[in-house]
Amino acid sequence: DGGITQSPKYLFRKEGQNVTLSCEQNLNHDAMYWYRQDPGQGLRLIYYSQIVNDFQKGDIAEGYSVSREKKESFPLTVTSAQKNPTAFYLCAIENGQTTGELFFGEGSRLTVL
Amino acid sequence: AQKVTQAQTEISVVEKEDVTLDCVYETRDTTYYLFWYKQPPSGELVFLIRRNSFDEQNEISGRYSWNFQKSTSSFNFTITASQVVDSAVYFCALSGPSGGYQKVTFGIGTKLQVIP
Repeated sequence: DGGITQSPKYLFRKEGQNVTLSCEQNLNHDAMYWYRQDPGQGLRLIYYSQIVNDFQKGDIAEGYSVSREKKESFPLTVTSAQKNPTAFYLCAIENGQTTGELFFGEGSRLTVL
Repeated sequence: AQKVTQAQTEISVVEKEDVTLDCVYETRDTTYYLFWYKQPPSGELVFLIRRNSFDEQNEISGRYSWNFQKSTSSFNFTITASQVVDSAVYFCALSGPSGGYQKVTFGIGTKLQVIP
């Protein structure tokens, strides 16, 4: 099946631990994004990448890191420096034909215990 | 700066009623795009529509229709004869050159509950 795969769907982490969320796509799209969703705040952009080996900070990049070593993969690491990491994380790719049209994965729900 | 305001945080309607979700935006760009996305309980957002700022024609797609009014900076979404499957969170969004077209700004979402 073509599409975007995020894993894990649910993740629990102890305070002080780093955790990496996976995002894989097989649609051969260049642009990939990570958003964070909190109740009452909508979606906020963490990082995005337009091309392999290049990525840009979004509005709330502090405490997060990413890599883009392969076109199909854009993993997000939530570091211990992120003060409030409990959230729903969504990965997206952009339809190369239509600016701003995003295809989203099913999301990963991170809970810090 | 770009901003999207969805003043209705939650709406409940009875099945078959019509419902309009409001969206007001702010941007200093003269060219921009507006979007609506649907987030069902499963969690993943689904793209519904994109409008170019130069195209103010209303659009209808089945039971869905969108009213874009540049004069009031609004891009409202109406569902006619609502169904239970329409229950979801709906997001209005905006992108333009000042924020980088890649950086889509989302509203906080409107949770729609359709009661059978």
